[in-house]
Amino acid sequence: ETGVTQTPRHLVMGMTNKKSLKCEQHLGHNAMYWYKQSAKKPLELMFVYSLEERVENNSVPSRFSPECPNSSHLFLHLHTLQPEDSALYLCASSQDSRAGYGYTFGSGTRLTVV
Amino acid sequence: ILNVEQSPQSLHVQEGDSTNFTCSFPSSNFYALHWYRWETAKSPEALFVMTLNGDEKKKGRISATLNTKEGYSYLYIKGSQPEDSATYLCAFYQGGKLIFGQGTELSVKP
Repeated sequence: ETGVTQTPRHLVMGMTNKKSLKCEQHLGHNAMYWYKQSAKKPLELMFVYSLEERVENNSVPSRFSPECPNSSHLFLHLHTLQPEDSALYLCASSQDSRAGYGYTFGSGTRLTVV
Repeated sequence: ILNVEQSPQSLHVQEGDSTNFTCSFPSSNFYALHWYRWETAKSPEALFVMTLNGDEKKKGRISATLNTKEGYSYLYIKGSQPEDSATYLCAFYQGGKLIFGQGTELSVKP
C-alpha cells in the first residue's frame, strides 16, 4: 500500500453509463494528478490539481470531468465514454506540484468501456 | 512537442548481469528528471528525483546519473536479480507537469 488508494480496481461500463473513479491520499500532499495509460503508450497526463485548484487540463475531452473537493480526495467522473477510452487510470499525489518532488501513485483503475 | 525517449524498449538479462538504460530529454529549460520502477500489478514507485547537472544518486544496487547539458540520464543496475524485473520509467518535468517516457521493460532470468 503506497498511501494513495484508488477505487474501484476494475470497472466495466457501457457507453451510456455514468461512473466515477475515486482517489484518496492521507500523505499530507498538496498536489494530485490523473494519468491515463493506454496499451503500448506512455503515461499521459490528464489533470493536475494543486491546493484543490485545477492547474492543468491536458486537452482532455469533456466526457472526463475531474473533481477535487479537498486536498485528500480526487474524483474522475466519466460519462458517455467511447471504447477507445478503455485504459488504466492512475492517480498520483506529490507534496507540491513543483519540480523537485516525487510522485506517489495508486494502483490504478482498469477501465473497460463496452 | 516534448519528447522523452527511453532505450532500449525491453531488455532480457541473466541473474547477476549488470545493466543500464538511457533516458533522453530536451536539454533546454531543465527543472527535474524522475525515475520510477513499475512492477506488474503494482503502483509505479519513485526511485530518484534529479535536479542538478552531474547528479549521481544511488539506492542499493540501482544508481542514476544526469547530464542536463546533453539531455540524458542513465539508470544502472548492478548484479541484476529476478526481483528487479519491472518497467523502468523516466519522466521530465516541465511547465508544472511530468512527461513520461515509454519505459524500459527489464526481465531478469534466474
